[in-house]
Amino acid sequence: GENVEQHPSTLSVQEGDSAVIKCTYSDSASNYFPWYKQELGKRPQLIIDIRSNVGEKKDQRIAVTLNKTAKHFSLHITETQPEDSAVYFCAEGQGGKLIFGQGTELSVKP
Amino acid sequence: DTAVSQTPKYLVTQMGNDKSIKCEQNLGHDTMYWYKQDSKKFLKIMFSYNNKELIINETVPNRFSPKSPDKAHLNLHINSLELGDSAVYFCASSQGVGGAYGYTFGSGTRLTVV
Repeated sequence: GENVEQHPSTLSVQEGDSAVIKCTYSDSASNYFPWYKQELGKRPQLIIDIRSNVGEKKDQRIAVTLNKTAKHFSLHITETQPEDSAVYFCAEGQGGKLIFGQGTELSVKP
Repeated sequence: DTAVSQTPKYLVTQMGNDKSIKCEQNLGHDTMYWYKQDSKKFLKIMFSYNNKELIINETVPNRFSPKSPDKAHLNLHINSLELGDSAVYFCASSQGVGGAYGYTFGSGTRLTVV
């Protein structure tokens, strides 16, 4: 089926703490998994992506891990800052399109 | 230069009217999409086009008709607007085959049907 499960739906952390968002996908043949950040009233923007030939990718304070066996992938944000507050979407590339998770509203409290 | 530009940004209209949203990308991408984002923020694909050819039509009512005059443009026309059509509509583009590369999104069109 075409379904990406994303958890949690809301996440509140203190500034400086880490945040982790997890997604589970359905198609074992999928091999492209991007993450998007959407600030209030703005467009979703690509922040990091991973392909199935690697297990982890890092870009400064953000990292993504992929477990193909379990069909899980996760976004890790370290040393969170108030400007990290936004809705984050995972996605799975499948059938000629991206299928998005339901979104996680991250709130970073100063 | 804006990579993916969408107009209008806001659209308020009455039930039963017909309206269009325009999208243009200057990235040289091959594939363009329309997504609908509902009040719960869920992003759902409506259509995709690759080099002007319709690739995906995701069980969208016939009242929605996309048109791609060339690979840089993808417009969306909506007939007989209904209250349930109220949402934010995002245009997006990507290089190559859909789903294999990240999207660049337009700024969105907030459609309100009253």
